[in-house]
Amino acid sequence: TQLLEQSPQFLSIQEGENLTVYCNSSSVFSSLQWYRQEPGEGPVLLVTVVTGGEVKKLKRLTFQFGDARKDSSLHITAAQPGDTGLYLCAGGDDYKLSFGAGTTVTVRA
Amino acid sequence: GAVVSQHPSWVICKSGTSVKIECRSLDFQATTMFWYRQFPKQSLMLMATSNEGSKATYEQGVEKDKFLINHASLTLSTLTVTSAHPEDSSFYICSAQRQLLAFGSGTRLTVV
Repeated sequence: TQLLEQSPQFLSIQEGENLTVYCNSSSVFSSLQWYRQEPGEGPVLLVTVVTGGEVKKLKRLTFQFGDARKDSSLHITAAQPGDTGLYLCAGGDDYKLSFGAGTTVTVRA
Repeated sequence: GAVVSQHPSWVICKSGTSVKIECRSLDFQATTMFWYRQFPKQSLMLMATSNEGSKATYEQGVEKDKFLINHASLTLSTLTVTSAHPEDSSFYICSAQRQLLAFGSGTRLTVV
């Protein structure tokens, strides 16, 4: 099993501030995925990063895949209360995903 | 496309009874389905991998006789929690894969 470590575990910020969530591993991944999960619901895919050094932007969200494909980060600019949720990184082979422990993000209005 | 439906969304059962959870891929045929368990404030832990027409592959530490998985067709997999106990209370999530991977909305199981 490939282990993914996420940090921080919890993040509480004021609306309008920026935040970064990190996902690290000692293993190399062919791709990493980021999900957001609301309470009582399944995770929803935000992005898949495939190429080392890749940067993907999704509106106010910026995802980066490390050059060595062992780590990734999620940066949210000007966070809004609607960004509140559990952010999970995941990776694995053949869709058999290992998930990080998750980062609970709370954006206060 | 790639919609996965889970049923029921929540269930309460008495200790000692069995509960069946269904996972359906609505608009695609899933080669493989995965079952996860998620305890409060924790991440998703893979329980088993299910391929249509063959026995499920369970992750280490998951009791196959307690968590029965049946993948009878390319659109349906079921997870049966047998002789449920309060410690089995959790959020169970399935995902289905063909060329894409999609997650169900989860089933909240509470054993009383």
